[in-house]
Amino acid sequence: DARVTQTPRHKVTEMGQEVTMRCQPILGHNTVFWYRQTMMQGLELLAYFRNRAPLDDSGMPKDRFSAEMPDATLATLKIQPSEPRDSAVYFCASGYEGRNYEQYFGPGTRLTVT
Amino acid sequence: SQKIEQNSEALNIQEGKTATLTCNYTNYSPAYLQWYRQDPGRGPVFLLLIRENEKEKRKERLKVTFDTTLKQSLFHITASQPADSATYLCALVYSSASKIIFGSGTRLSIRP
Repeated sequence: DARVTQTPRHKVTEMGQEVTMRCQPILGHNTVFWYRQTMMQGLELLAYFRNRAPLDDSGMPKDRFSAEMPDATLATLKIQPSEPRDSAVYFCASGYEGRNYEQYFGPGTRLTVT
Repeated sequence: SQKIEQNSEALNIQEGKTATLTCNYTNYSPAYLQWYRQDPGRGPVFLLLIRENEKEKRKERLKVTFDTTLKQSLFHITASQPADSATYLCALVYSSASKIIFGSGTRLSIRP
């Protein structure tokens, strides 16, 4: 049963600290998405990779957020420095371009910045 | 800018009835319109998608329609069951996933 995995599942950190979230997409998928979900804003697309190349990160605050795919089995989302307004659930999703961009979501990382 | 609206925050219906959820959008039509289910504390789960040139898709008790003139998609769950209670999200996917926008979701509750 192939699944997207995310670590950590929960993270509590102080304002100003660096946060790194990791995602392992489903083997064989060539697209990876990072989303942020809050009660106020709902699900927002932060970044999108296809074949490990970043295609769109226009939804991401560039000054503090960065997303990378060092290899096909790992995607990372970093926040440096973190701020209380970054508190949210961060989801990674993967998919295959040829399957109409159906997305398979991971369980999410719940981030709390105090 | 493109906007997407799901009919209501919450919908409560009796078990056995058909639940109908609405997704409306402004401006230009997407290449695909997708529907997801999200349970508390979990990530969204893909259910169905419909293409711009399709009118209707079905999967078991689920049916999706897409009207590009009205700029609206309807999502139906027939013979609803308490286990169908969840939040349902629609998502607009533009060509080559260059842009993906999720609605805020409708929380569906099915009472026995």
